[in-house]
Amino acid sequence: DAGVIQSPRHEVTEMGQEVTLRCKPISGHNSLFWYRQTMMRGLELLIYFNNNVPIDDSGMPEDRFSAKMPNASFSTLKIQPSEPRDSAVYFCASSLKSSGANVLTFGAGSRLTVL
Amino acid sequence: GDSVTQMEGPVTLSEEAFLTINCTYTATGYPSLFWYVQYPGEGLQLLLKATKADDKGSNKGFEATYRKETTSFHLEKGSVQVSDSAVYFCALLSGGYQKVTFGTGTKLQVIP
Repeated sequence: DAGVIQSPRHEVTEMGQEVTLRCKPISGHNSLFWYRQTMMRGLELLIYFNNNVPIDDSGMPEDRFSAKMPNASFSTLKIQPSEPRDSAVYFCASSLKSSGANVLTFGAGSRLTVL
Repeated sequence: GDSVTQMEGPVTLSEEAFLTINCTYTATGYPSLFWYVQYPGEGLQLLLKATKADDKGSNKGFEATYRKETTSFHLEKGSVQVSDSAVYFCALLSGGYQKVTFGTGTKLQVIP
């Protein structure tokens, strides 16, 4: 398996523009997570899905952020409009919910810079 | 709510030194505990895990023991290498869903 695939790896955009980050989880995994990592705030959970259904979006900073998972193999995180304070590395992770300790597999991340 | 507290970094050690990174947690019930490692420019990857009290997780010379009485899961390695330089995250998983709570991370730098 190719692992969790994220795109783009790097994005530079101007304030006010729409940004869409994409994630393809590992085939067979039924849970997907979006995290944001910054120096100031560390690793923050934004939202997670189980069987394509959003379970907890309490970490989404504000209405400018939205996430979707239309099917088991694809998810998007959208920021509209973007602001400089959204600059961060955004990670997608997936796991298989089972009776054991569920291990997250992370993608390589999307580094977003908003000017 | 659930939380994880890690020692502040960065930690700088000479090659072959002994490593300890402290981690304590607060959670309801009986969480599973993890250590993840992040190398520069990469995502996090699982280093080791423990699912119940007194379990010891181990991998690549790293070890951590699930101590319920002290709510701790300290990471140790007897002899670090330059290639161990990375950021280490302690994490816990609790509840019916798979919400993983991470600590703030501890940066380790090993010098030759």
